[in-house]
Amino acid sequence: GAGVSQSPSNKVTEKGKDVELRCDPISGHTALYWYRQSLGQGLEFLIYFQGNSAPDKSGLPSDRFSAERTGGSVSTLTIQRTQQEDSAVYLCASSLASFMGGPYQETQYFGPGTRLLVL
Amino acid sequence: AQRVTQPEKLLSVFKGAPVELKCNYSYSGSPELFWYVQYSRQRLQLLLRHISRESIKGFTADLNKGETSFHLKKPFAQEEDSAMYYCALSGARGSTLGRLYFGRGTQLTVWP
Repeated sequence: GAGVSQSPSNKVTEKGKDVELRCDPISGHTALYWYRQSLGQGLEFLIYFQGNSAPDKSGLPSDRFSAERTGGSVSTLTIQRTQQEDSAVYLCASSLASFMGGPYQETQYFGPGTRLLVL
Repeated sequence: AQRVTQPEKLLSVFKGAPVELKCNYSYSGSPELFWYVQYSRQRLQLLLRHISRESIKGFTADLNKGETSFHLKKPFAQEEDSAMYYCALSGARGSTLGRLYFGRGTQLTVWP
């Protein structure tokens, strides 16, 4: 079946503009994650959605970053008033539910990423 | 605090040589450890995880709780193993379940 898809694949924007990045998870996956991959910082966790539970936003670097997940499927990551340091590859991943208190973490499947360049 | 350290940013070996990619972690509890791989122009994908105790593409990794390490090993490297390798940790319980903590990655190059 289809894997995780992300759009756009590349985005160039000017400093101060807002951007929206989209993620389509694997059908049936209730958990969705956003990560950021940047030079010198490696892969950083941003936000995690699990079913209808409140998202774990603890990795968002500032209040300019927000994300939503509509209908338990597609997710949009929004960056307002972009800064040059926001330039990075933004990765989305999805998995089956990982239950707190459960024995193990479900495998996360990653999308191809959106490469964001802020000029 | 959770932390994953991959001390080698770059690693080069010749084809047929053994390879070991190092990973150390810190976590108060019983974590789950993973190795992810990203081949050129491909997406990040799971290579193996410690709970499955499998050998994938000839790679193995043993969780050493005493040394808090999860080194990735292969006895005979192949050119197609050239890729970026990331070690990752997930908490098995509580609020850290779900998110992955990644190391900064090791770029492995296998020369012919």
